[in-house]
This record gives sequence, C-alpha cells and structure tokens, in this order.
Amino acid sequence: NAGVTQTPKFQVLKTGQSMTLQCAQDMNHEYMSWYRQDPGMGLRLIHYSVGAGITDQGEVPNGYNVSRSTTEDFPLRLLSAAPSQTSVYFCASSALAGTSVIYEQYFGPGTRLTVT
Amino acid sequence: QQQVKQSPQSLIVQKGGISIINCAYENTAFDYFPWYQQFPGKGPALLIAIRPDVSEKKEGRFTISFNKSAKQFSLHIMDSQPGDSATYFCAASTNQGGSEKLVFGKGTKLTVNP
Repeated sequence: NAGVTQTPKFQVLKTGQSMTLQCAQDMNHEYMSWYRQDPGMGLRLIHYSVGAGITDQGEVPNGYNVSRSTTEDFPLRLLSAAPSQTSVYFCASSALAGTSVIYEQYFGPGTRLTVT
Repeated sequence: QQQVKQSPQSLIVQKGGISIINCAYENTAFDYFPWYQQFPGKGPALLIAIRPDVSEKKEGRFTISFNKSAKQFSLHIMDSQPGDSATYFCAASTNQGGSEKLVFGKGTKLTVNP
C-alpha cells in the first residue's frame, strides 16, 4: 500500500493564480481531510469529508474548495492564491467506526506551497 | 479560541532523561486524545492515544497520563533518545453532533542531546 500520497511536493505560485493540490489514498478510508501547518500554529483543519459526495468546512476554509467524487481522491483547490496561503499542506485519511468516530489519521508527506 | 493548549513550545533534554509535554482542553465532550510525532520534512504519525475511561496508557518508553477532572493530559518519554528529536502534537476529538474533527495543539519541538 502506498498509503496517502500528495502531489506536488513543492509549488510556487504568484498571487491570483489558481491550482489544485492532489491527495489520494489506497486504504479505502471513508474520512479524508486537509490541514495547513504554519510555524507555531500547529495543524489547522481546512476541509474534511466523511465519504464520496460529502464535504464540510473545518477551522480555516476561506480561499479553499474541495470535492470528493471518489473514495480515493480528495483534491484541494486554491481559486486565487494569496501570500497568506503560503504554508505546508497535509492531507490525511482515516477509517470511521459507526458514524463519527475518528481513529488513527494517516498523513501524507505534505505539499510546501509558496505564494509570492 | 484555542481548544487544546500545549506546552512547552520547545524542550531540550539530555539523552536518558525524561521528556514531559503537557496539554489542556476545555471541551468536556472530547473523548479521544492522541499524540502525533512529526520528523522534519515528514507528515505527522500517530504515536499513542488514550480515551478518558483510563488514567494512563503506556507503550514502550511512551506514556500518556490523563486527568479528566483537571482536563489535562501529558506525554512522558522515558529514557529519551536522540532519535526522539521531533515535533510532538497533542490532539483531541469528539463524537458529538457528528463532529468528525481532530483539534491539534500548537506543537512542542523536542531536542534530545547526545
């Protein structure tokens, strides 16, 4: 199993550009999520999904869109990049037991994004 | 507001010493408390987790102590090794209201000197 994969590993954008960060998992996990990590801020939840066709906002959703058309993929879209979105982005997945229990979250290797 | 407060921000320990990282929470609905370990350039990985029906959980050199009445939990690393040097995050989650969210502390950068 590859686990959780993310592409690209590094990206530089100019302000106003758009791009999609890719995330895929091969563990058949229902739950997938996106976090951003900034120095001294820990990991902050951007968006999450409990299954195909179901997404919801996390703590810092503004400026980001997500969709979940398959169990495996959960792309994160930046519509108009801003310098404040310079960060390291992590995708994670986990299994659900019942309707809303999170067990171990498996994180991808991250995408380091710089917006100039 | 910050739902999980973690301290210290950084910690330096000598090899063989005990590393202690503390976390406090406010939401009494939290019912799952994991600790994640992150090495530079990597994603976080689950280290150990506890539920509030027990006061302590031990896995090898790593122990979580949980104090439900004080709404605090801590990670103890016994016989700390240079290979333990990493950033550690505490976290908490709850089932309530279908809230499938894991809330993280801000992290503690641990350095273990040889």
